[in-house]
Amino acid sequence: DAKTTQPPSMDCAEGRAANLPCNHSTISGNEYVYWYRQIHSQGPQYIIHGLKNNETNEMASLIITEDRKSSTLILPHATLRDTAVYYCIVRADGSSNTGKLIFGQGTTLQVKP
Amino acid sequence: NAGVMQNPRHLVRRRGQEARLRCSPMKGHSHVYWYRQLPEEGLKFMVYLQKENIIDESGMPKERFSAEFPKEGPSILRIQQVVRGDSAAYFCASSPRGSGANVLTFGAGSRLTVL
Repeated sequence: DAKTTQPPSMDCAEGRAANLPCNHSTISGNEYVYWYRQIHSQGPQYIIHGLKNNETNEMASLIITEDRKSSTLILPHATLRDTAVYYCIVRADGSSNTGKLIFGQGTTLQVKP
Repeated sequence: NAGVMQNPRHLVRRRGQEARLRCSPMKGHSHVYWYRQLPEEGLKFMVYLQKENIIDESGMPKERFSAEFPKEGPSILRIQQVVRGDSAAYFCASSPRGSGANVLTFGAGSRLTVL
């Protein structure tokens, strides 16, 4: 699976949009981009995933560049409860993949009042 | 619809004892994954199982650790002769399948403390 690069930490003001970047310049055509987060001491939580097109759900939006080499997770109105470590993971589709996710260091997002 | 259930949530063992951690996947999920998170560190993949089969155990320590997912009942992560370095949070996740766009649902974790 392709390697991802994320900034180690970011701050965001409560109520503002949080934009978390992720670089995945070696991504292959069959690799999805997944975002998970881990709020302190809890189990990781799925946020969103995409292949080529931008995606939106009740939690966030995922913007993938046309060349697919980078993406941005957007939390439109960050709250204090969004303070967490956010993981960008690239994972291949296909029978040769065992389904596991490999977590990097992620971005620690601190939402401030 | 209950999520991924892990128990016990907290487990204390003395060095040399055995620890057994259980994971019941979400209803309809036949794939289970175990991850370990050492204090102040990231999540490390340990093992991926389907019913009665170990698919990928590339992250499992060579000794003392074993995992199973029997035809009936929960998945079990077993740690024999625990040492202080085994103190960690162990997270289980499940998914409906192993390939394709595949979302993993995680449990709340089991926190093992070795005295």
